[in-house]
Amino acid sequence: DGGITQSPKYLFRKEGQNVTLSCEQNLNHDAMYWYRQDPGQGLRLIYYSQIVNDFQKGDIAEGYSVSREKKESFPLTVTSAQKNPTAFYLCASRREGLAGGGTYNEQFFGPGTRLTVL
Amino acid sequence: SQQGEEDPQALSIQEGENATMNCSYKTSINNLQWYRQNSGRGLVHLILIRSNEREKHSGRLRVTLDTSKKSSSLLITASRAADTASYFCAYMNSGYSTLTFGKGTMLLVSP
Repeated sequence: DGGITQSPKYLFRKEGQNVTLSCEQNLNHDAMYWYRQDPGQGLRLIYYSQIVNDFQKGDIAEGYSVSREKKESFPLTVTSAQKNPTAFYLCASRREGLAGGGTYNEQFFGPGTRLTVL
Repeated sequence: SQQGEEDPQALSIQEGENATMNCSYKTSINNLQWYRQNSGRGLVHLILIRSNEREKHSGRLRVTLDTSKKSSSLLITASRAADTASYFCAYMNSGYSTLTFGKGTMLLVSP
């Protein structure tokens, strides 16, 4: 799981409540990402940020919001507007650079937060 | 973005056998990566192959890339029970900074 932490590991929410998922990294990576994983669906991109104070919508941003006030932190808020929020949420950061005549840019993932709406 | 497709969706083999997983995609790519996920955990990066590479090795892993067919394969040789996990391909579109993930192959290696 590298140097990325996510909390909490399990989160239960009542319908109509907003909840915030934490993601912190100490890898000094500029880019960070939030994904949602549903059974049989693979990972889908919610939001990403390539630099502090900047972020972009991914494929399924509706009902979610993010902030990037610090390089180390990229919290995700699941709002009451998200109609089906029960899922496994994964945060990642990207290592980027040059090596061997090319670039490398693999992502490092946190352990995930499993959100359940009651 | 469109997800990649992995094939097969699930694979069950015995220890010592080889496991081959395939991935297809639909766009021009900068690179293609393979990740592993143990049940209920985060993903772990296994290997990256650039669009100008055709084959890459890392330990018991061998990845091939055929850009003309828009496909990649991951071969795990001499599999072990500890290789049991889900494996995902992910590709980076040319000109973008995000990865598109496939739906994954669930590999079960029995002792």
